[in-house]
Amino acid sequence: DIVLTESPVTLSLSPGERATLSCRASQSVNSNFLAWYQQKPGQAPRLLIYAASRRATGIPDRFSGSGSGTDFTLTISSLEPEDFAVYYCQHSDGSSWTFGLGARVEIK
Amino acid sequence: EVQLVESGGGLVQPGGSLRLSCVVSGFTFSTFSMSWVRQAPGKGLEWVSLVDTTGYNTYYANSVKGRFTLSRDNSKNTVFLQMRSLRAEDTAVYYCAKGGNSWYYFDSWGQGTLVTVSS
Repeated sequence: DIVLTESPVTLSLSPGERATLSCRASQSVNSNFLAWYQQKPGQAPRLLIYAASRRATGIPDRFSGSGSGTDFTLTISSLEPEDFAVYYCQHSDGSSWTFGLGARVEIK
Repeated sequence: EVQLVESGGGLVQPGGSLRLSCVVSGFTFSTFSMSWVRQAPGKGLEWVSLVDTTGYNTYYANSVKGRFTLSRDNSKNTVFLQMRSLRAEDTAVYYCAKGGNSWYYFDSWGQGTLVTVSS
């Protein structure tokens, strides 16, 4: 099974700064099947990015995704107060669906 | 507006059973896959199960295979997760999630229902 690892586990930044989160897969994956989600405390996850780089409906353009093979990146160009949350990458091979353990972006 | 509303969670003893439901609205239910994803207290997300648009094909995480059964009723816009032989490690918030235009990701989520397995 493919294992996804986000890093860093915790990122401490100030509003207005740039956040860069990494998702590394244990083997090469099809980028069409790589997604990113945001989850705030007490809330359900929200889809941000699918197919590695496509923003979901209603997602601000400060969120962007990139990558291929085993290395993928979620970038938040300028952090807004509402962006401090936990972020998960997710992959599917069509018969199983896997999430990473999550990466927290906290206020410095 | 897409809405997913879960119900059926609660406290159950180890070895017991529970049936979760998810009623949806705001989209053509029969044309999208549906899944359950769970989150143990203080932990990350774990995919549990997926059912395709017809209901004929289902997929399960190894951790629940043989104990959980996912089904859907397209006439009622509802998915059901039958959980049997429940264990303490099944304690979690269970989210219902709608598949995207590609079933490889989840584009809408319910607010979740808490299942607690404890004696």
